[in-house]
Amino acid sequence: TQLLEQSPQFLSIQEGENLTVYCNSSSVFSSLQWYRQEPGEGPVLLVTVVTGGEVKKLKRLTFQFGDARKDSSLHITAAQPGDTGLYLCAGAQGAQKLVFGQGTRLTINP
Amino acid sequence: NAGVTQTPKFQVLKTGQSMTLQCAQDMNHEYMSWYRQDPGMGLRLIHYSVGAGITDQGEVPNGYNVSRSTTEDFPLRLLSAAPSQTSVYFCASSPGDGNQPQHFGDGTRLSIL
Repeated sequence: TQLLEQSPQFLSIQEGENLTVYCNSSSVFSSLQWYRQEPGEGPVLLVTVVTGGEVKKLKRLTFQFGDARKDSSLHITAAQPGDTGLYLCAGAQGAQKLVFGQGTRLTINP
Repeated sequence: NAGVTQTPKFQVLKTGQSMTLQCAQDMNHEYMSWYRQDPGMGLRLIHYSVGAGITDQGEVPNGYNVSRSTTEDFPLRLLSAAPSQTSVYFCASSPGDGNQPQHFGDGTRLSIL
């Protein structure tokens, strides 16, 4: 059983469309991180959300942490081919460990 | 500005062989960790270290050993490789504890035949 469930696992859309990726759990996290991973490379941190209800924006990307700190979402506005990649959420729970979701593989078609 | 360096990038082993995956970071980070990434499974924590001389098990430690003799290096050893250990392995570090954002290496793609 995955502690953090990401959905969808795969998403292929046209350039200019909007999309939302979800990261859900029944557990509470002290913080939640979003990473993006390119082929052949390691994940790179996009953002960390800490407070329940927190919203952070990174250009066309909007990240939200649920009020109960059990879930998070990533919304991309007007997606571009450069947004293509694997998006991973990771929850901080307890001491010294991050729990990762399965990832969402996003493809933006020109 | 090297960050986290993993070697080798690719490796093919036969079942039963042993091997060490190397990881070095030049950021003076106390926390280092090893993950494996498999399709549909995300990243799963194998072992981690909160500082030189201290290591602990993660979610999937069986078949792997680690040591942390220096702050910079955190090698991962496969004692007797099995096909189930075919995966992409990532080393990561952070300046604080394991809940902080991680800096990842570019991974080692390992195939066990």
